[in-house]
Amino acid sequence: KQEVTQIPAALSVPEGENLVLNCSFTDSAIYNLQWFRQDPGKGLTSLLLIQSSQREQTSGRLNASLDKSSGRSTLYIAASQPGDSATYLCAVECRGSQGGSEKLVFGKGTKLTVNP
Amino acid sequence: NAGVTQTPKFRILKIGQSMTLQCTQDMNHNYMYWYRQDPGMGLKLIYYSVGAGITDKGEVPNGYNVSRSTTEDFPLRLELAAPSQTSVYFCASSYSSKPTYEQYFGPGTRLTVT
Repeated sequence: KQEVTQIPAALSVPEGENLVLNCSFTDSAIYNLQWFRQDPGKGLTSLLLIQSSQREQTSGRLNASLDKSSGRSTLYIAASQPGDSATYLCAVECRGSQGGSEKLVFGKGTKLTVNP
Repeated sequence: NAGVTQTPKFRILKIGQSMTLQCTQDMNHNYMYWYRQDPGMGLKLIYYSVGAGITDKGEVPNGYNVSRSTTEDFPLRLELAAPSQTSVYFCASSYSSKPTYEQYFGPGTRLTVT
């Protein structure tokens, strides 16, 4: 059974600092990995999607890497801003347990606070 | 496009009551999903659908039912509400299950059962 773990559970940094969020998964047979952002009381916004054949994806100040063999992904945020404060969720897409359609398995998230 | 919309945004139910959470997407996506998120936890899949007329159970289906009569709509039904169903419910959709297609999420429905 696929399990996704995110460390740390919470992180507080001063504005302008570069930071790394970690995600690990137990089964390397994944189709892709997604990083989401969730603001309090809101839904999820997809930030980056890395296909299993890719090593990284970049969007603005965000860079996500994927090492499938070791079951790890990192989300790097450069020059953090107070507006980056949110919970960041990692999810892997893998084949369903009964061989059916692929499913997303989520980690519990990292709550990021960027202090001005 | 409105994307994925969910109604209601909030609801309080008494134990044993029933309700339907509505989900609609206007992106012509084939795949739709229902998740629940408990405080401090990740999302868990309740049910999903790969197209109209086809549904299947996810990780935590007990106490819920779904139907998919159209491509656009994927309602989630709670028949006999229990306190354990207090949660935030998210609906999502994607064009395909292929690795390049990401899931898009609705804003969520916050449900309290007392």
